[in-house]
Amino acid sequence: KQEVTQIPAALSVPEGENLVLNCSFTDSAIYNLQWFRQDPGKGLTSLLLIQSSQREQTSGRLNASLDKSSGRSTLYIAASQPGDSATYLCAVRQQNTDKLIFGTGTRLQVFP
Amino acid sequence: GAGVSQSPRYKVAKRGQDVALRCDPISGHVSLFWYQQALGQGPEFLTYFQNEAQLDKSGLPSDRFFAERPEGSVSTLKIQRTQQEDSAVYLCASSSYGHKNTEAFFGQGTRLTVV
Repeated sequence: KQEVTQIPAALSVPEGENLVLNCSFTDSAIYNLQWFRQDPGKGLTSLLLIQSSQREQTSGRLNASLDKSSGRSTLYIAASQPGDSATYLCAVRQQNTDKLIFGTGTRLQVFP
Repeated sequence: GAGVSQSPRYKVAKRGQDVALRCDPISGHVSLFWYQQALGQGPEFLTYFQNEAQLDKSGLPSDRFFAERPEGSVSTLKIQRTQQEDSAVYLCASSSYGHKNTEAFFGQGTRLTVV
């Protein structure tokens, strides 16, 4: 059974720091991995999608990498801002099903 | 529509009451998913549709939970005889057909509180 773990569970940093959020998964038979952002009381906003054949994706200050063989992904946030404060979730899409399996998230707070 | 739309945004139900939650997926999206998110947890899979066909309902926690998508567009998640442990945010997502590498787009969710 696929299990997705995110470390750390919570992170509080001053504005301007570069951050690394970690996601690990136990079953490498995935189609893709997707990073989401969730603001309090809101739904999920898709940030980046990495296909299983890809190593990384970039969008603005965000960079996500994928090492499928070792079951790991990282989300790198450059020059963090208070507006980046949210919960970040990673999810893998299982092969042979269409299920997205989520981690429990990293709650990020960036203070001025 | 421009995005996935869910209604109502908030629902308070008395224990034992039946509720119905609605999801309007992105126009043209064939795949539709329902997830349940408890406070402080990641979303948990409930069920999946491709068009009107419910291909996977393995995540539905009990037979009190029922989902339908009769015309392959709008979907309704129904919970009968609600219990306190049903309190959660219910999220709906849609994605394009046939391509496992397409993004899933989520709605704002319905927050259900059972009192």
